[in-house]
This record gives sequence, C-alpha cells and structure tokens, in this order.
Amino acid sequence: NAGVTQTPKFQVLKTGQSMTLQCAQDMNHEYMSWYRQDPGMGLRLIHYSVGAGITDQGEVPNGYNVSRSTTEDFPLRLLSAAPSQTSVYFCASRKGQTYEQYFGPGTRLTVT
Amino acid sequence: AQSVTQLDSQVPVFEEAPVELRCNYSSSVSVYLFWYVQYPNQGLQLLLKYLSGSTLVKGINGFEAEFNKSQTSFHLRKPSVHISDTAEYFCAVSEAQAGTALIFGKGTTLSVSS
Repeated sequence: NAGVTQTPKFQVLKTGQSMTLQCAQDMNHEYMSWYRQDPGMGLRLIHYSVGAGITDQGEVPNGYNVSRSTTEDFPLRLLSAAPSQTSVYFCASRKGQTYEQYFGPGTRLTVT
Repeated sequence: AQSVTQLDSQVPVFEEAPVELRCNYSSSVSVYLFWYVQYPNQGLQLLLKYLSGSTLVKGINGFEAEFNKSQTSFHLRKPSVHISDTAEYFCAVSEAQAGTALIFGKGTTLSVSS
C-alpha cells in the first residue's frame, strides 16, 4: 500500500492563480481531511469528507473547494490564491471515528 | 463543536528528566482523544489514543496519557525523556459520533537537551 499520497510536494503560485492539490489513498478509508499547518497555529481543518459524495467545511474553509467523487481521491482547489494561503497542506485519511488518522507527506505552498 | 487547548507552546527539558505535556478539550458530547508526534520535517504519527475503558493509556516510545473526564484533560507524560524525543506534539479530539472530523490543538514543542 502507498498509504496517503499528495502531489505536488512544493508549489509556488502568484496571487490570483488557481490550482489543485491532489490527494489519494489506497486503504479504502471513508474519512478524508485537509489541514493546513502554520507556525504556532497547529493543524487547522479546511474541509473534510466522510464518504464519496459527502463533504463538509472545517475551521478555515474560505478560499478552498473540495469534492469527493471517489473513495480514493480528495482534491483541494485554491480558487484565487492569496499570500495568506502560504502554508504546508496535509491530507489525511482514516477508516472511521475511532481509528488512527494517516497523513500524507504534505505540500509546501508559497503564494507571492 | 469540539476544541482542544494545549497549555504550553514550548517545553524545554533535560535528558532523562520526566515531562508532562498538557491538553484540555471542550465538547458537549463524548469524545475520543489522541496524541500525535511530528518529528522535524516529517509527517504526523500516532502516539496513543483513548477511546473508552481504562483512563491510563500507554503508547509508543514509553509515552502514556491519562484521561480525566471531570477536568476534561488528556495530559501526556514520559518518566524519562531522550534527545530523540525532541519533536512537536499534538493533542487531537474527535467527537464520539459518526461524521465529525479530528480537531487538533496548536501543538507543544518539546526540546530535550543534554
């Protein structure tokens, strides 16, 4: 199993550009989530999904869109990048409420 | 909605000393509690979790945590730390009902020196 994979590892965007961060898992996990990690702020939940076709907002959803058309994939879209979105983004998945959450390696995004 | 407060942003200790990293949570329903560790430039891995039963939970690398429902706390402890324990530690909470996400605290940086 590859676990949770994320692409790209690094990305630099200009203000106003859009892009999609890819996330995939091969563990047949129902739950998938996107977090951003900023110094001193911990991991903040952006969006999450509890199954294909079901998504919900987290703490910091503004400026981001998600969809979950398959169990395996959970892409995160930045609609119009802003410098405040410079961060490290982690995708994660878990089988259910009581299970360990597995994290991808992260995407380091810089918006200039 | 649930929330997590990690009371110390940084904890410096000497090698072989005991350590306690404090975590308090807030929720209107029953919760599941987790501690994760992030070593420098790496992803997060699970240290331990509390779901139900015994309030003292043992995890990997000699860590343990105690769930205290009356104080809504889940403090992490280790009796004797090593240099290799230097990392960032995150407390996380998940409501004990389907369909909710895992919420993390802001993290505590543990720095172990010789």
